[in-house]
Amino acid sequence: DAGITQSPRHKVTETGTPVTLRCHQTENHRYMYWYRQDPGHGLRLIHYSYGVKDTDKGEVSDGYSVSRSKTEDFLLTLESATSSQTSVYFCAISERGLRGNTIYFGEGSWLTVV
Amino acid sequence: QQQVKQSPQSLIVQKGGISIINCAYENTAFDYFPWYQQFPGKGPALLIAIRPDVSEKKEGRFTISFNKSAKQFSLHIMDSQPGDSATYFCAATWRSGSARQLTFGSGTQLTVLP
Repeated sequence: DAGITQSPRHKVTETGTPVTLRCHQTENHRYMYWYRQDPGHGLRLIHYSYGVKDTDKGEVSDGYSVSRSKTEDFLLTLESATSSQTSVYFCAISERGLRGNTIYFGEGSWLTVV
Repeated sequence: QQQVKQSPQSLIVQKGGISIINCAYENTAFDYFPWYQQFPGKGPALLIAIRPDVSEKKEGRFTISFNKSAKQFSLHIMDSQPGDSATYFCAATWRSGSARQLTFGSGTQLTVLP
């Protein structure tokens, strides 16, 4: 699609275990985002990155951490997964930081915490 | 204040009819208003977008109407087709911290009957 690969695409994990989702892009875009999608809430921003090692919190960042050691990879970590983190997670990339129509979403990662 | 309120939650339209989805916002710092279309199992994809200094934008069968004074905007899908059946999200962008951010409405599930 827009050179975005999310992995894993589906995962079931147990409460209390750590989970890492990976977003990989081939477009060399500066901005990367992690959103979660839940029924009735649309998509909500978890964390975003505006460069290597430059990250900031979004609307629903509690319980999540991120890292970006390379331009192409943006990792989302749930340190100790909870059932409330069962959701669909979307990575997005943008060249110009959402100015204009430059944001592209990945295919999503379905996470179930049991 | 970063919210965008979207209605209706679901919409059923006959083939050939007009689908109308409405959104409202409060934050005057919003400066770009995109609409996203999402099919099941896929990430959201940009459909059409408008700047607040424009009252209407049309692309094919899709039209955004924007009322800046009322802080409302809407998506009109003319001659709706079964292939338009999807979830539609309105959104708004604004500058926050080191990057622009994007906030979504809660989504409208559109079903176009054949």
